[in-house]
Amino acid sequence: DAGVIQSPRHEVTEMGQEVTLRCKPISGHNSLFWYRQTMMRGLELLIYFNNNVPIDDSGMPEDRFSAKMPNASFSTLKIQPSEPRDSAVYFCASSFLNSPLHFGNGTRLTVT
Amino acid sequence: RKEVEQDPGPFNVPEGATVAFNCTYSNSASQSFFWYRQDCRKEPKLLMSVYSSGNEDGRFTAQLNRASQYISLLIRDSKLSDSATYLCVVTVNTPLVFGKGTRLSVIA
Repeated sequence: DAGVIQSPRHEVTEMGQEVTLRCKPISGHNSLFWYRQTMMRGLELLIYFNNNVPIDDSGMPEDRFSAKMPNASFSTLKIQPSEPRDSAVYFCASSFLNSPLHFGNGTRLTVT
Repeated sequence: RKEVEQDPGPFNVPEGATVAFNCTYSNSASQSFFWYRQDCRKEPKLLMSVYSSGNEDGRFTAQLNRASQYISLLIRDSKLSDSATYLCVVTVNTPLVFGKGTRLSVIA
């Protein structure tokens, strides 16, 4: 079975640029989560969706961050404009009901 | 108080040693508990769920203490391949809340 697929694996961009991260959850999973991981703060939940509907976005740092899930098989996390402090690994994960999460390989974002 | 707290380590242990990690959580209504393992530059992966009665999977034993609000992970006969960061995970329905992890290095 294909796992959670994220793209790109690495992204290097200059501050002020728009960054779009993509995620394809496991087929049949009804919940999708975006996490950010840094050494200082660990894994932080940014936003999660149930059945394509955003449920809790209280972890989104500020208005520069936005996420969408137009259908059950695709989600995006956008940062506009990006800043150096956004540099982190961004993980997408999916699950079915309350089953454990399955993570994608992550996107390593560097904003210079 | 943070929702989930772990000793960051690192725990440096020789091969064959037994090592234990604890994790405390603040929400007494927490329902589900897990241990995830994360290798360097990789995604977290489920190691095991933690059940109220405690559970074992080979060399790994997980326990839950609801009264004191902590979970534990015990690794027996540690192997070099056990070197990783172990993340404690707690949830009240969704979403999952992760601890920052405990780093384990098993040394030959």
